[in-house]
Amino acid sequence: NAGVTQTPKFRVLKTGQSMTLLCAQDMNHEYMYWYRQDPGMGLRLIHYSVGEGTTAKGEVPDGYNVSRLKKQNFLLGLESAAPSQTSVYFCASRPTGLAVYEQYFGPGTRLTVT
Amino acid sequence: KNEVEQSPQNLTAQEGEFITINCSYSVGISALHWLQQHPGGGIVSLFMLSSGKKKHGRLIATINIQEKHSSLHITASHPRDSAVYICAVAMYSGGGADGLTFGKGTHLIIQP
Repeated sequence: NAGVTQTPKFRVLKTGQSMTLLCAQDMNHEYMYWYRQDPGMGLRLIHYSVGEGTTAKGEVPDGYNVSRLKKQNFLLGLESAAPSQTSVYFCASRPTGLAVYEQYFGPGTRLTVT
Repeated sequence: KNEVEQSPQNLTAQEGEFITINCSYSVGISALHWLQQHPGGGIVSLFMLSSGKKKHGRLIATINIQEKHSSLHITASHPRDSAVYICAVAMYSGGGADGLTFGKGTHLIIQP
């Protein structure tokens, strides 16, 4: 099993450009998350999904859109990139249920917006 | 919103020393996670606990729910333990899938 994978690993964008980050998991997890990590801030939740076809806003959703058309994939879109979106983006997934399960993280995508 | 505070922010120690990293949070939780992030960025889950104590190799994690406090201990520290250690709390209310709330991390360096 590959676990959680992210594409691309690195990207440089100019202000105003758009892009999509892809997260894929092969563990049949229902729940998936997008976080961003900034120096001195800790990781923060952008959007999450509790299953195919569903998405919800997290702590810092502005400027991002997401889609979960297939259970194994969770896409994060930037329609018009801004320098404030320079960050490292992590995807994570976990199984469903009332019990509390650990989250499995992808390797991250380092995005720079100039 | 849960506030998660870690201390210390930075810690440099000599190989073999006993290491303690602390985490406190402001609101009752369902579970607390300890994560490790090496240079290069990957995040690995070390422990998830909701009560008591867990041990894995040289790592020990404890949590005191009443005091809203957790500690991560490393015994016989080694340079390969050098990493950022992150505390995160989960509020899985109503069977939902709310994400984690993270501390800012503790940057640990173990010198040979």
